[in-house]
Amino acid sequence: EVRLVESGGGLVQPGRSLRLSCAASGIKFDDYAMHWVRQRPGKGLEWVSSINWNSGHSDYANSVQGRFTISRDNAKNSLFLQLNSLSAEDTAFYFCAKDLSSSGGNYSRGFDYWGPGTLVTVSS
Amino acid sequence: QPVLTQPSSHSASSGASVRLTCMLSSGFSVGDFWIRWYQQKPGNPPRYLLYYHSDSNKGQGSGVPSRFSGSNDASANAGILRISGLQPEDEADYYCGTWHSNSKTWVFGGGTKLTVL
Repeated sequence: EVRLVESGGGLVQPGRSLRLSCAASGIKFDDYAMHWVRQRPGKGLEWVSSINWNSGHSDYANSVQGRFTISRDNAKNSLFLQLNSLSAEDTAFYFCAKDLSSSGGNYSRGFDYWGPGTLVTVSS
Repeated sequence: QPVLTQPSSHSASSGASVRLTCMLSSGFSVGDFWIRWYQQKPGNPPRYLLYYHSDSNKGQGSGVPSRFSGSNDASANAGILRISGLQPEDEADYYCGTWHSNSKTWVFGGGTKLTVL
């Protein structure tokens, strides 16, 4: 059974940092690209960042470029998202999602497994 | 990058068929994109349904019933998610998404809230 479980969310003050983790099981983790997608409460999905299977390529949404950093540790079957310079607009549920392909992007048929999400609340 | 526009809501009776649309913004042609579809129920993460590019390039998510299918409507410049034989458990939010290679970004539509009457 494929399982993705996010952790690391919580209440943080504006301007501070947070690191999210996603633990994967039930898959050969290093076969797949991975993604972070966020959803503000009551709103739609917003893609945040993607990383290919071997960390050789990553992409970011304009809204987080330069502030967030995606990474992965294939030996530990884990995906990470470093969130810096947080603002209220970053308040959201953050989901990690597995790609159907190793590279993502043009080669992706979609995100076939999602974690339950972790809530990040940015407030003073 | 393209904008994907979805109706905010749609309702239909149990047993009916529905077409949920995902319209691409001007300057982008639906035939150039792979449209992915997701279902999200309250309090749950999205569930992958399928992707559609053409009749020869499409795929169904694991365990997704065949009554969920994808297509394109070139005249409307839109991707289509068709759900036949609507069931009460199909009541959910439905999102389309696509990859834009030029900007190297994923784009999601705003979602359609489907109500099953």
